[in-house]
Amino acid sequence: AQSVAQPEDQVNVAEGNPLTVKCTYSVSGNPYLFWYVQYPNRGLQFLLKYITGDNLVKGSYGFEAEFNKSQTSFHLKKPSALVSDSALYFCAVTDSGGGADGLTFGKGTHLIIQP
Amino acid sequence: EAEVAQSPRYKITEKSQAVAFWCDPISGHATLYWYRQILGQGPELLVQFQDESVVDDSQLPKDRFSAERLKGVDSTLKIQPAELGDSAMYLCASSLSETQYFGPGTRLLVL
Repeated sequence: AQSVAQPEDQVNVAEGNPLTVKCTYSVSGNPYLFWYVQYPNRGLQFLLKYITGDNLVKGSYGFEAEFNKSQTSFHLKKPSALVSDSALYFCAVTDSGGGADGLTFGKGTHLIIQP
Repeated sequence: EAEVAQSPRYKITEKSQAVAFWCDPISGHATLYWYRQILGQGPELLVQFQDESVVDDSQLPKDRFSAERLKGVDSTLKIQPAELGDSAMYLCASSLSETQYFGPGTRLLVL
């Protein structure tokens, strides 16, 4: 069985400071990893993914994430936070052998950017 | 930019009633997913279609939930009868490859 852990329910960052949202995963084969963002009463919006190749992946709105196979982590980062980044962030995983299989999500991390 | 469409956006019903949700995926996306998101949790997969065929419905409570995608395009998720514990956001997603794109969701409240 596959699983995702997001150890922080909430992350508070001052505007302009760098931010990190943590994610660790467990999967039997090679992982496909994703980050999504959710605004209140909205669906999930795709930010970025790791499939293969370079461990540092860049996505929408200046976000990036680093895949670390030895630590089974895929932390989301941004060099300079904006107030508009405040939202609920989900990390998700699927086994690469499944291709387009359903995703397993973490419980989410509330990111709060303070002006 | 193409989007996944869902309706209704909000639904309030009484327990023991029947409810249905509709999803229209991004054009050309063969794979369609229904997820349930309970408040404070991440989405959980209910059912996955490849074209009109069910690929995975292992987490679908089949005594009360049903899903269909008759022509391999849009899909309907039904609950009959609804229970208080079914109150949640129901999300539809579609994909062409490994990236899933989500619709705005249907928020269900069962009274």
